[in-house]
Amino acid sequence: QVQLVQSGAEVKKPGASVKVSCKASGYTFSDYYIHWVRQAPGLGLEWIGLINPSSGHTTYAQNFQGRVTLARDTSTRTVYMELNSLTSGDTAVYYCARTNYDLLTGYFIDYWGHGILVTVSS
Amino acid sequence: AIRMTQSPSSLSASTGDRVAITCRASQAISSSLAWYQQKPGQAPKLLIYSASTLQTGVPLRFSGSGSGTDFTLTISRPQSEDFATYYCQQYYTYPWTFGQGTKVEVK
Repeated sequence: QVQLVQSGAEVKKPGASVKVSCKASGYTFSDYYIHWVRQAPGLGLEWIGLINPSSGHTTYAQNFQGRVTLARDTSTRTVYMELNSLTSGDTAVYYCARTNYDLLTGYFIDYWGHGILVTVSS
Repeated sequence: AIRMTQSPSSLSASTGDRVAITCRASQAISSSLAWYQQKPGQAPKLLIYSASTLQTGVPLRFSGSGSGTDFTLTISRPQSEDFATYYCQQYYTYPWTFGQGTKVEVK
């Protein structure tokens, strides 16, 4: 079965960086894009970006451009997200998610990781 | 970015009621719309994609409709496990955007 296992919770100080991971199993890793989405406490969902595990090509939301880096290691079937210059506004649960493809409408998220709580506090 | 607006923000329903949640896109997105269910402390779960296609394993009491800018998620007779928060999301163009969520509570 498809599983996305994410790394553990992180606590960082403002201005620091955080790097979290998402390990995929149960499917052909290179065949499905991985997206990252975050959810601030009690709030809605915000799309961060995506990586093509096959090529390594990335696309980022403008809100995160220049501050986020997605990378993958095909040997370990793991995707990484690094977010720099953290502020309290980055406190959120960060999800990785796999996308599937529909011929008519395009890519959509079908499986989510369990989420990683990143807390930014001085 | 395309803005997704859900209504209502919250609603109360009894098991057996019919529940309808609407989602409006600020521009046409064809049928590139998904619905997710989220329970407290859990990741979202895909219910519907392509506006009306039920994900494998999702109960038939869930249905989706619409295209262009106006969409609806309907729960025909909600069960206790259906009380949760629901989000719509457009995947027509980047950046992907989500509605603000609709919390469905027990009356």
